[in-house]
Amino acid sequence: SQKIEQNSEALNIQEGKTATLTCNYTNYSPAYLQWYRQDPGRGPVFLLLIRENEKEKRKERLKVTFDTTLKQSLFHITASQPADSATYLCALDSNSGYALNFGKGTSLLVTP
Amino acid sequence: GAGVSQTPSNKVTEKGKYVELRCDPISGHTALYWYRQSLGQGPEFLIYFQGTGAADDSGLPNDRFFAVRPEGSVSTLKIQRTERGDSAVYLCASSLGGDRTDTQYFGPGTRLTVL
Repeated sequence: SQKIEQNSEALNIQEGKTATLTCNYTNYSPAYLQWYRQDPGRGPVFLLLIRENEKEKRKERLKVTFDTTLKQSLFHITASQPADSATYLCALDSNSGYALNFGKGTSLLVTP
Repeated sequence: GAGVSQTPSNKVTEKGKYVELRCDPISGHTALYWYRQSLGQGPEFLIYFQGTGAADDSGLPNDRFFAVRPEGSVSTLKIQRTERGDSAVYLCASSLGGDRTDTQYFGPGTRLTVL
């Protein structure tokens, strides 16, 4: 069955460092992969989308890579700030169409 | 502009009761999605509407769950004979709808607690 795995343990880093989050998937051939941010008590907020034929995508301090051979995406936040503290969700397109399949998310805590 | 809104924000009910959860999508968005999120998990897809019709309801767990979108805007998720296992945050999202990669905008969710 299709499976999406994200670091189950929370990631704690110091302000100014680069945070790297991992998303691995199995039994999938996604056409694209998305990253979302979710704060407590709120719905997910879209951050970045990367397509299967793209290796890397950047947006301000965010960078996403997509390796379809390794079946892995890495999500980087450079010069991290305490305001970046949140849960980050990886989502892949479903084979059936428009719905998204989400990982469990990784909690990031950036300390001053 | 206004985002996706969901009402109520919290709903507490007793096992066996019927509940309705409402979603107001962003104006002009033809695609609407319902997801369910349990504690410590990512959102789990339930159903997707394109306009008034349910284009994909493969995520509905059983026939106690039903959703409608009669005029292609507001949607209602209906749960009959609620069970304790139905307790979760129910998220609604909408997108422009023309493309699979259209950004999905999520509402704040309705937290359902079944006692």
